[in-house]
Amino acid sequence: SQELEQSPQSLIVQEGKNLTINCTSSKTLYGLYWYKQKYGEGLIFLMMLQKGGEEKSHEKITAKLDEKKQQSSLHITASQPSHAGIYLCGAGALNAGGTSYGKLTFGQGTILTVHP
Amino acid sequence: GAGVSQSPRYKVAKRGQDVALRCDPISGHVSLFWYQQALGQGPEFLTYFQNEAQLDKSGLPSDRFFAERPEGSVSTLKIQRTQQEDSAVYLCASSLFPRGARDTQYFGPGTRLTVL
Repeated sequence: SQELEQSPQSLIVQEGKNLTINCTSSKTLYGLYWYKQKYGEGLIFLMMLQKGGEEKSHEKITAKLDEKKQQSSLHITASQPSHAGIYLCGAGALNAGGTSYGKLTFGQGTILTVHP
Repeated sequence: GAGVSQSPRYKVAKRGQDVALRCDPISGHVSLFWYQQALGQGPEFLTYFQNEAQLDKSGLPSDRFFAERPEGSVSTLKIQRTQQEDSAVYLCASSLFPRGARDTQYFGPGTRLTVL
């Protein structure tokens, strides 16, 4: 079965600093999703990456997908306290028929703390 | 509705009790997923519905877990004879297209189940 490893497991930064979170898969990636979770709440969708080399940005968050390395990175520029939370990467799957399937396997999460 | 809703938000059960957790997906969404999230971990897949059909229940941990979506909208996850190891947050997600393939999954706030 597919496994996703996130690094670092936790990160503490000063407001205004840039940071990167990595997500490495044990198998080929078929769609990579980034979500953010606040404690006790559901997952908030950030971005979905589908193709190798794809890069997407939303406000100060940029995500990239390197299919060859089976890896994705999430970069936050000029972090703010509002960026604090748990960041989760999730990978799609292939079903028995070889077609893409949204059953997601998640990494263990990266806990981000941003000090004002 | 505007988003995925789940009820109750919190449930405390005595060991051996049966519980029922409800999910209201976004109107018109074909795909519905249930995930289980243990403390400090990423969500883990439980089961998938395409409309009213339960196409994948490979993640259900035991035959005490049962899910249904009889009319292709609201879904209920039922756990019989709850055990302490069932304590977790149960998350529901819906997406527009069949199989949720390469499609944004929108998550509800989750139900936090505590079994005493």
